[in-house]
Amino acid sequence: EVQLAESGGGVVQPGGSLRLSCAASGFTFSNYAMNWVRQAPGKGLEWVSTVTGSGGSAYYADSVRGRFTISRDDSRRTVNLQMNSLRADDTAVYYCAKQSLSLVRGIRHNNMDVWGRGTTVIVSS
Amino acid sequence: DIQMTQSPSSLSASGGDRVTITCRASQTISSHLNWYQQKPGKAPTLLIYAASSLQSGVPSRFSGGGSGTDFTLTINSLQPEDFATYYCQQSYSTPYTFGQGTKLDIK
Repeated sequence: EVQLAESGGGVVQPGGSLRLSCAASGFTFSNYAMNWVRQAPGKGLEWVSTVTGSGGSAYYADSVRGRFTISRDDSRRTVNLQMNSLRADDTAVYYCAKQSLSLVRGIRHNNMDVWGRGTTVIVSS
Repeated sequence: DIQMTQSPSSLSASGGDRVTITCRASQTISSHLNWYQQKPGKAPTLLIYAASSLQSGVPSRFSGGGSGTDFTLTINSLQPEDFATYYCQQSYSTPYTFGQGTKLDIK
């Protein structure tokens, strides 16, 4: 069974740091890009970051670029999100999601087909 | 960035009804559009990818359509487990933006 499990959430003061991890099982981890998506309390979904299957490329939302760093360790089957200079508006449930690539009518499409249960980050003094 | 706008933001319906949710992109995204369902306190799950392809295991009462900038998610014969929040998401380019969500509740 394909599974993702996030960890590392907690309460941190503004300006502090936190490192989230996502452990993957049930699929060939190194073949897939991985995402972090967050959801502030009572709000919608916000894409945060993506790292490619090779780990060679990383992409970030403007709201976190320069403060967050995504990385992966294929030997440990984990994807991480290092979060620095945290702000109150970073408070959210953080989900990791596997990126699947599908070929539809000759065109490649990506989607987030498996999600973890999420880990909660609260930034508060 | 590509903006995704869903309508309506909320919708009340009864079991057995047919409902349609729309999603509009601020620029053309071809068919790079996914739909997700989220229930309270749970992670989202993928329903539809590439605008109209049904994810494995998703009931056939769910269907998606559209291309370019305008897309729809239709649920036929609503079941009790379908009352949830639905999000569209464009996968055309980063940042992978989501719509604001449509909350479907029981009338």
